[in-house]
Amino acid sequence: GQQLNQSPQSMFIQEGEDVSMNCTSSSIFNTWLWYKQDPGEGPVLLIALYKAGELTSNGRLTAQFGITRKDSFLNISASIPSDVGIYFCAGYDNTDKLIFGTGTRLQVFP
Amino acid sequence: DSGVTQTPKHLITATGQRVTLRCSPRSGDLSVYWYQQSLDQGLQFLIQYYNGEERAKGNILERFSAQQFPDLHSELNLSSLELGDSALYFCASSVGLLNQPQHFGDGTRLSIL
Repeated sequence: GQQLNQSPQSMFIQEGEDVSMNCTSSSIFNTWLWYKQDPGEGPVLLIALYKAGELTSNGRLTAQFGITRKDSFLNISASIPSDVGIYFCAGYDNTDKLIFGTGTRLQVFP
Repeated sequence: DSGVTQTPKHLITATGQRVTLRCSPRSGDLSVYWYQQSLDQGLQFLIQYYNGEERAKGNILERFSAQQFPDLHSELNLSSLELGDSALYFCASSVGLLNQPQHFGDGTRLSIL
């Protein structure tokens, strides 16, 4: 099935570092969502973006909806051990289906 | 807690069998979505229901079917199971139809032996 290109595939960082990941598509998306998934649990919604250029924060997390509507990025500042998990971007395409990225696996070392 | 409840949490069965997965959406949500997550495929959209009616279909096999009941809970039926059907199956719900954030349950892990 269709998936968004998400990078990097995995990240290994030290506690306190900032993290940046992004998601790109060849087609336009109307809404971008960012989720975090912990092992054995369902994806948890972090941030929702509805307009091109929109920049939204949720605590130490900041996400932006790209101006071209074909990309989005997520930044995590001052990472902590509980940030460990898999981060997924997702976007609604022009058929109103939610398409997921391939995920970024984040590992934080103390 | 997302408010979306899925049962059972784990299911182990054999090839050729039939199983039913159940989902209760968040209170007030009318849309229910089903997804399959396997190691090499990520999250794949299967099907969506809105207020009891099928609204959209994704990569859902003919051996799979779903329905949404008047109380808005949904069931996903998987039949003639094959080894490749082993995966996590997630249900999500949202308030409305278009461009709504979806809230996920904790999934049902299906293992086919």
